[in-house]
Amino acid sequence: GEDVEQSLFLSVREGDSSVINCTYTDSSSTYLYWYKQEPGAGLQLLTYIFSNMDMKQDQRLTVLLNKKDKHLSLRIADTQTGDSAIYFCAEKDERNFGNEKLTFGTGTRLTIIP
Amino acid sequence: DTGVSQDPRHKITKRGQNVTFRCDPISEHNRLYWYRQTLGQGPEFLTYFQNEAQLEKSRLLSDRFSAERPKGSFSTLEIQRTEQGDSAMYLCASNRGSGETQYFGPGTRLLVL
Repeated sequence: GEDVEQSLFLSVREGDSSVINCTYTDSSSTYLYWYKQEPGAGLQLLTYIFSNMDMKQDQRLTVLLNKKDKHLSLRIADTQTGDSAIYFCAEKDERNFGNEKLTFGTGTRLTIIP
Repeated sequence: DTGVSQDPRHKITKRGQNVTFRCDPISEHNRLYWYRQTLGQGPEFLTYFQNEAQLEKSRLLSDRFSAERPKGSFSTLEIQRTEQGDSAMYLCASNRGSGETQYFGPGTRLLVL
């Protein structure tokens, strides 16, 4: 089955860039997502990338996809205290009609050091 | 557009009791999804609906769990004879259809004592 892995913790100084990494096993993943979860809250979609893309940039966020290595990363430029949260990588394989579920990683807790 | 809403936000119950949660998707979203998130883990898919039809169920959804979406709008998730292992955050999401991004609600946090 599909598996998505992330490191559990990342600490970054305020103003530096944060890079959160994710690896996945399903080579047929068609969409890959990054969601943000603040304490006690639901998931907020940050960005997503289609599998035929290598990179996507959206303001402070840059997503890089290496399909060969099945590696996805999220770079947050100029990290701020409001970026403190858990970041989840998720994938979806749309080859099979009806397979609509997202498979999530365990999440990376990003802590900002003042 | 007020986003996906869930009710209640928190529920504490005793083992063996039944609980029911409600999810209201974003209006005009045909698909509705339920996920479960235990402490320190990512969300895990439970089931999803296309309008009122339940199209896919995870093996995580034991026979004590039942989900409905009778009129193709809001959905309910019922857990019968709750167990301590059911303690988790139950998340609902919705989207317009296949290939569309899923938007999540704030979740219902369940604690079974």
